[in-house]
Amino acid sequence: DTGVSQDPRHKITKRGQNVTFRCDPISEHNRLYWYRQTLGQGPEFLTYFQNEAQLEKSRLLSDRFSAERPKGSFSTLEIQRTEQGDSAMYLCASSLQGWVTGETQYFGPGTRLLVL
Amino acid sequence: GIQVEQSPPDLILQEGANSTLRCNFSDSVNNLQWFHQNPWGQLINLFYIPSGTKQNGRLSATTVATERYSLLYISSSQTTDSGVYFCAGYQGGSEKLVFGKGTKLTVNP
Repeated sequence: DTGVSQDPRHKITKRGQNVTFRCDPISEHNRLYWYRQTLGQGPEFLTYFQNEAQLEKSRLLSDRFSAERPKGSFSTLEIQRTEQGDSAMYLCASSLQGWVTGETQYFGPGTRLLVL
Repeated sequence: GIQVEQSPPDLILQEGANSTLRCNFSDSVNNLQWFHQNPWGQLINLFYIPSGTKQNGRLSATTVATERYSLLYISSSQTTDSGVYFCAGYQGGSEKLVFGKGTKLTVNP
């Protein structure tokens, strides 16, 4: 069990550029979640996948954001036309969801995005 | 309204002291969890505690689901306990975790 990994760990970009982040979940986990955390706040839910299906999206996820999990393994989160307000820590988590709802989520180290 | 509320927002301790962190949550939140976010941003699972009491070393947690609150106890605090402690619960009818704003703990040597 190597844990949840995220790449890159840090990203600095200029306003208007596109960025893509990758998340590799714990290998046997079927659920994958994306969260965003700004300074002084708790993480806020963005979206989640059950295997390759994206089942829920937050209203925070504007049309400039897109997430995929094409083979039910790793996931990517793309932000198009970045804005300074997108500067945040982007966290990925995974869980093994069985018949019981609300299982423990395990978080990756996050990707810190700074938009200049 | 506020669904997950944590107190105090900030806490400063001397090494060796004990502390209690509180989390109040609304009736739409369940399956409470506690996390520690270290200074590098990594969220570390402490407890999955929908109800009852659990202990892990110097840390213990109690959730009283009928009264909608949870407590995290840290005994004999160490400088490595510094960071932000979050509680989070699943929002009813959803698979998303809702987090509080956290308690920032600083343990001084």
